Amino acid sequence: QSVLTQPPSASGTPGQRVSISCSGSSSNIGSNTVNWYQQLPGTAPKLLIYSNNQRPSGVPDRFSGSKSGTSASLAISGLQSEDEADYYCAVWDDSLNGPVFGGGTKLTVL
Amino acid sequence: EVQLVESGGGLVQPGGSLRLSCAASGFTFSSYWMHWVRQAPGKGLVWVSRINSDGSSTYYADSVKGRFTISRDNAKNTLYLQMNSLRAEDTAVYYCARQKYGGGGFDIWGQGAMVSVSS
Repeated sequence: QSVLTQPPSASGTPGQRVSISCSGSSSNIGSNTVNWYQQLPGTAPKLLIYSNNQRPSGVPDRFSGSKSGTSASLAISGLQSEDEADYYCAVWDDSLNGPVFGGGTKLTVL
Repeated sequence: EVQLVESGGGLVQPGGSLRLSCAASGFTFSSYWMHWVRQAPGKGLVWVSRINSDGSSTYYADSVKGRFTISRDNAKNTLYLQMNSLRAEDTAVYYCARQKYGGGGFDIWGQGAMVSVSS
């Protein structure tokens, strides 16, 4: 059971916009920035969004992140079949001196 | 090319030991904090340990504290994870990851090393 709560699954059709939520508390999301990772089947995770809403070089602008209070959200617009993957939110935990991850959301493109 | 390559995974009996290595290339390894993250089969990501750039500061998840030791050799551009007293619940793919300079997540990940603990 992770301290960050994500829906276990999400789905959408090609071209659609989908959103994945990540809920935490004042001690994690409420006090630190949120990062998002994409894990394609059988591969290592990839940094998708950092510092709440920043995209690393090479990440399409179809991916966007936001944060409000103790919750964060990842939005994917213009959904494509290659977006089918697991998505994880993460936030630094000051007491752990490391990050905590959400449980992950499996995105299916119908 | 910036990359991390893990090695050293395998099958080990409960109570046994294993050392993972993570070879870095394409960047100034000695400037970055490094981490280990694991993923049990079919499960999510779990942070394991971190080490600062010069190796003077280390932290561990409670589940591995006292059994695992993270270290680095900046002259060899290599990160290590010594795992002792292994348990079945340590079975996972272990990833090494680079923390983005100035914070902001893990921007480079290795391909992962599978560790299986079973009799």
